[in-house]
Amino acid sequence: QVQLVESGGGVVQPGRSLRLSCAASGFTFSNYGMHWVRQAPGKGLEWVAVIWFDGSDKYYGDSVKGRFTISRDTSKNTLYLQMNSLRAEDTAVYYCARAQYSGRYFGGFDIWGQGTMVTVSS
Amino acid sequence: QTVVTQEPSFSVSPGGTVTLTCGLNSGSVSTAYYPTWYRQTPGQAPRILVYSTNTRSSGVPDRFSGSILGDKAALTITGAQADDECDYYCVLYMGGGIWVFGGGTKLTVL
Repeated sequence: QVQLVESGGGVVQPGRSLRLSCAASGFTFSNYGMHWVRQAPGKGLEWVAVIWFDGSDKYYGDSVKGRFTISRDTSKNTLYLQMNSLRAEDTAVYYCARAQYSGRYFGGFDIWGQGTMVTVSS
Repeated sequence: QTVVTQEPSFSVSPGGTVTLTCGLNSGSVSTAYYPTWYRQTPGQAPRILVYSTNTRSSGVPDRFSGSILGDKAALTITGAQADDECDYYCVLYMGGGIWVFGGGTKLTVL
């Protein structure tokens, strides 16, 4: 079945780096744009980043621009989020999510992973 | 800075109808923003309900409907049930490769 599984979360000190992974299965990964969305404890959802289906474009939310990098490896059906210069306010559950339709789709995301927790603390 | 607005909380009686809205701090929401609605229960990932303003996702009962009401996107729930009690989020495509979520609405059914 269509599935996304995140990994790589954990506890990290402020200023350090962490890389999250999202393994996709059950669909043609290379056809879909992919997003990262996060949720701080007790807070709402925050869109983080998108990478187009072909990797040609990447966009970021203001709060992570310049610090986070989204990428994808089609050969491994895996999405990544490289997070540098981490701050306490980056503490959140990080979800990967698939664009609802293939190609360059501007709508919402239909398939979500279960999330991976990132805690930034000294 | 663009802010997507949602009612922080709402209450509905069992069997009743409630309309949640999704607006902008400046300007009107239209179909060009591809309004999408999600529900989320504690500890779970969000689940899509309605996309592209008014299309229900597969398996979503027709008690849930999306629309544009005035200058906002709206999610209407009819015949509210106890298990509709959860958080509801909208997300809008702002253009330029940027999406923004609303702050969410906590719906209580009582």
